[in-house]
Amino acid sequence: RKEVEQDPGPFNVPEGATVAFNCTYSNSASQSFFWYRQDCRKEPKLLMSVYSSGNEDGRFTAQLNRASQYISLLIRDSKLSDSATYLCVVHGNNDMRFGAGTRLTVKP
Amino acid sequence: DTEVTQTPKHLVMGMTNKKSLKCEQHMGHRAMYWYKQKAKKPPELMFVYSYEKLSINESVPSRFSPECPNSSLLNLHLHALQPEDSALYLCASSQTGAHSGNTIYFGEGSWLTVV
Repeated sequence: RKEVEQDPGPFNVPEGATVAFNCTYSNSASQSFFWYRQDCRKEPKLLMSVYSSGNEDGRFTAQLNRASQYISLLIRDSKLSDSATYLCVVHGNNDMRFGAGTRLTVKP
Repeated sequence: DTEVTQTPKHLVMGMTNKKSLKCEQHMGHRAMYWYKQKAKKPPELMFVYSYEKLSINESVPSRFSPECPNSSLLNLHLHALQPEDSALYLCASSQTGAHSGNTIYFGEGSWLTVV
């Protein structure tokens, strides 16, 4: 089993749709969690950290479920500019792992 | 705009060449990283420097040689590379420690092509 798993997609959704991604992790000692966004031929950029209590930033909501060992990202009212690859990142015990990324395409 | 600066943005080199990738950050971060990313794959960790000392080497071939001259600079020296080493090389930094849970900030990357 991979340490961090994501559905690679692609997710093709119309503008305005709500889309959700999950990311599962195997190391129960993992401590910190992030979602990064990577545009084609660009570097990954931090989208948001993921806190135990869940957090929201505008149209984006991130949640952590420690019992089931997954994090999620919800995008509401998706825009064309949301098209990108979304990478989950899991930190723990001086180790950091990237998921393989989920490709999202938002279409007009 | 990223506060981690990488040069050059593009590099084409022959298999017998020696070249270097450079990375600079002025955020006062004490951990710096080199990642390699192939198309449609996530970044793969190569090296971590923590407080200017090499703390993690992910079994990277010796044709890649990192160097951290000071807390703001990180170099990756390249020698006798293979065509399969062609990739995007990403430098990153974080505030304290290596993989301590701090946010990691990436540079724009250096696109390397080995011919």
